Amino acid sequence: GAGVSQSPSNKVTEKGKDVELRCDPISGHTALYWYRQSLGQGLEFLIYFQGNSAPDKSGLPSDRFSAERTGGSVSTLTIQRTQQEDSAVYLCASSHGLAGDLDTQYFGPGTRLTVL
Amino acid sequence: QKEVEQNSGPLSVPEGAIASLNCTYSDRGSQSFFWYRQYSGKSPELIMFIYSNGDKEDGRFTAQLNKASQYVSLLIRDSQPSDSATYLCALLGSNDYKLSFGAGTTVTVRA
Repeated sequence: GAGVSQSPSNKVTEKGKDVELRCDPISGHTALYWYRQSLGQGLEFLIYFQGNSAPDKSGLPSDRFSAERTGGSVSTLTIQRTQQEDSAVYLCASSHGLAGDLDTQYFGPGTRLTVL
Repeated sequence: QKEVEQNSGPLSVPEGAIASLNCTYSDRGSQSFFWYRQYSGKSPELIMFIYSNGDKEDGRFTAQLNKASQYVSLLIRDSQPSDSATYLCALLGSNDYKLSFGAGTTVTVRA
């Protein structure tokens, strides 16, 4: 079946502008995650959604970052007043949301954000 | 924070050889371990997961886990040029859902 999809694949914006990144998880997956991968860095957790539970926003780096998930499916990550340090690849992942430890996350292709 | 350290690389191996990748972690509560492969400019792709001590084999890949020593490794046998990529070690703690990733090891297989 279809994997995780993300759009846009590339986004170039000017410092101070707002951007929206979209993620469409695998059908049937209740858990959705956003990560960020900066050049030469490992993947950094940003936010987690599971079903109708309150999201875990503990990884968001500042209050300029927010995310929502509508209808338990599509998610949008919004970055307000972008800064150059926000430049990174933003990766979305989804999983079945199984209880316990083994719940494999599958990644989308990512959105490469460049802030000029 | 679950620190995850990987051998820094880059690792260059001749075609047909064994590539050995190592990962150590600091949190003894970590339960599940994953190896992802990431080609340049692409997203991470799951290769294997392991959660029991010992070896787990899948084709040319073998994952090894030793919770007492807090390390997990990945062996790639009969390395092929198509194995050239960055390999990411990741883990989940008990009752956790956030993957903690290492910085990755870049492998180059020379034809």
